Amino acid sequence: GAVVSQHPSWVICKSGTSVKIECRSLDFQATTMFWYRQFPKQSLMLMATSNEGSKATYEQGVEKDKFLINHASLTLSTLTVTSAHPEDSSFYICSARDWAPLQPQHFGDGTRLSIL
Amino acid sequence: AQTVTQSQPEMSVQEAETVTLSCTYDTSESDYYLFWYKQPPSRQMILVIRQEAYKQQNATENRFSVNFQKAAKSFSLKISDSQLGDAAMYFCAYRSPLASGSRLTFGEGTQLTVNP
Repeated sequence: GAVVSQHPSWVICKSGTSVKIECRSLDFQATTMFWYRQFPKQSLMLMATSNEGSKATYEQGVEKDKFLINHASLTLSTLTVTSAHPEDSSFYICSARDWAPLQPQHFGDGTRLSIL
Repeated sequence: AQTVTQSQPEMSVQEAETVTLSCTYDTSESDYYLFWYKQPPSRQMILVIRQEAYKQQNATENRFSVNFQKAAKSFSLKISDSQLGDAAMYFCAYRSPLASGSRLTFGEGTQLTVNP
């Protein structure tokens, strides 16, 4: 089945550091990828929709300059948390969908981000 | 905008017994897709089952089945012969074929505990 690889799985870094998270579709081409944020025991909150070759579409309330998204190829999207602070600590999950209309989204394993 | 509601924050079931998780949604669309995802403690999102709205027959995947009531906008998940490995957070999700990138709208989740 379709596989989405997300790296790193866990990041601990100092406040003020920028952190890049990669999301790759391994065996299919993903024209659209999604980035979610999840707090403990809560649902997934969509942050942005990433489209290959164009600017990402951010959800209301998500800071574009804080969360930079790049989708440079059909198999790779990256989320960069710029100048991260403790309040940015969270679990980030990406997903990707094959072009076929009936295909579901496939999720990466997530990245646990801890800002000290 | 579509909304998804899971009214049961927590449920528990005895091993080998049957449990039903509730999900309702609100939409004005006639064609759409519905999903149940499972998120175990590892936090990996696992697709459990999916249903196309134009299909009257309820989807079934081994011990998992749905009761899809389109008129009532209800999409419940039944887990038969519950196993310890079924313990997880379960999310109901809606996808419009027309929405930008076919984004998923998630419910709040139901935490399922399986008692031995």
